[in-house]
Amino acid sequence: GAVVSQHPSRVICKSGTSVKIECRSLDFQATTMFWYRQFPKQSLMLMATSNEGSKATYEQGVEKDKFLINHASLTLSTLTVTSAHPEDSSFYICSASPLPGLNSPLHFGNGTRLTVT
Amino acid sequence: AQKVTQAQTEISVVEKEDVTLDCVYETRDTTYYLFWYKQPPSGELVFLIRRNSFDEQNEISGRYSWNFQKSTSSFNFTITASQVVDSAVYFCALMLYGTSGSRLTFGEGTQLTVNP
Repeated sequence: GAVVSQHPSRVICKSGTSVKIECRSLDFQATTMFWYRQFPKQSLMLMATSNEGSKATYEQGVEKDKFLINHASLTLSTLTVTSAHPEDSSFYICSASPLPGLNSPLHFGNGTRLTVT
Repeated sequence: AQKVTQAQTEISVVEKEDVTLDCVYETRDTTYYLFWYKQPPSGELVFLIRRNSFDEQNEISGRYSWNFQKSTSSFNFTITASQVVDSAVYFCALMLYGTSGSRLTFGEGTQLTVNP
């Protein structure tokens, strides 16, 4: 079964509103969580990394004030797209890992398809 | 800087044909992991394989096989006797360990279409 649950799977919102996406680890405590964005027919691009107990580290070009990431607990990370615009329409997918090292398994959620009208 | 290149944007084959998806990576690190994921139209990422940089042994899993060659920085994926259900986008990815923890860099993906 799924070890990382992402919710919602699809969301449609109006321009200017904010949307929150949740990523939960079900069977383990995730010390590290990642958020990716995927535009149609493109690759997955890492947006930010969050480690438990510290603020998220954003990739270059990702606006941290627009994409608020909160590693609220060891089993929950949220991504809030603030004041969404049509260009934010994309597929957002999270992944979680129980340990920060290379040897730790990496589990992906099923993704959230965001459409901003 | 790390980079993963999947030169084949799209591949179309007829069912039962064998198909190889190429993956070339770049990194200065000596310790890393390589992955292959399958992404069907529904969007979720399906894990296929994980291989560490110290293990160059080729692997076979059913109709899937992987060829890892450090000398050419390649990690190619072959599907034998392809089936329509294999149609998907396939991503090769490289994982390194940095100051923020492990980070995964994806290639651009290869859209595989298997026709009946």
